[in-house]
Amino acid sequence: AQSVTQLDSQVPVFEEAPVELRCNYSSSVSVYLFWYVQYPNQGLQLLLKYLSGSTLVKGINGFEAEFNKSQTSFHLRKPSVHISDTAEYFCAVSEPGPNAGNNRKLIWGLGTSLAVNP
Amino acid sequence: GAVVSQHPSRVICKSGTSVKIECRSLDFQATTMFWYRQFPKKSLMLMATSNEGSKATYEQGVEKDKFLINHASLTLSTLTVTSAHPEDSSFYICSARAPGLQLGSYNEQFFGPGTRLTVL
Repeated sequence: AQSVTQLDSQVPVFEEAPVELRCNYSSSVSVYLFWYVQYPNQGLQLLLKYLSGSTLVKGINGFEAEFNKSQTSFHLRKPSVHISDTAEYFCAVSEPGPNAGNNRKLIWGLGTSLAVNP
Repeated sequence: GAVVSQHPSRVICKSGTSVKIECRSLDFQATTMFWYRQFPKKSLMLMATSNEGSKATYEQGVEKDKFLINHASLTLSTLTVTSAHPEDSSFYICSARAPGLQLGSYNEQFFGPGTRLTVL
């Protein structure tokens, strides 16, 4: 069965510092990988996704993530964070393939709370 | 881009009453919608998958008679929390799949802004 582990529940960081939010997954097949951001009292917004191709994926708001198949990881990075990046970040995985069709589910990590301090 | 709305954004109700939450895809037709529940500082828990014109598929442990889901059109799904109790207080989020926005076999989910339910 698939699972997603976000290794850090909380990450405090100072403004303009770099940040890495870690995500590991377990799956016996190849997967699609996602990072979503949730600002306080809001829904989720897709930051970036890996479906295939280049393992370095660039997303919105200056975030990027690298898919590492051998380490089954998909860590999220930003070289310089802003106060406005304070939010909850979720890693998710989905299995590709035709069988699940439109009902294909996302398996979610527990989230990492990023707190950017001035 | 694909936009999903939810109504209401917040609702407070008395214990024992029923509450209906609407999820709409505003600029696309969604054959599949998902309903999630999110507890404070917790991840999203998928409650059910809703396909237009058919019965919803509930995840294990989710009471289908308590959380009624109707997906009557390609742009609207509703979640009704029946006989709500304080333990049903939570943040409910829907998402919709846009079959036209597809890469290979992948169909992206677009999320609504969520509904905060408080049961007194």
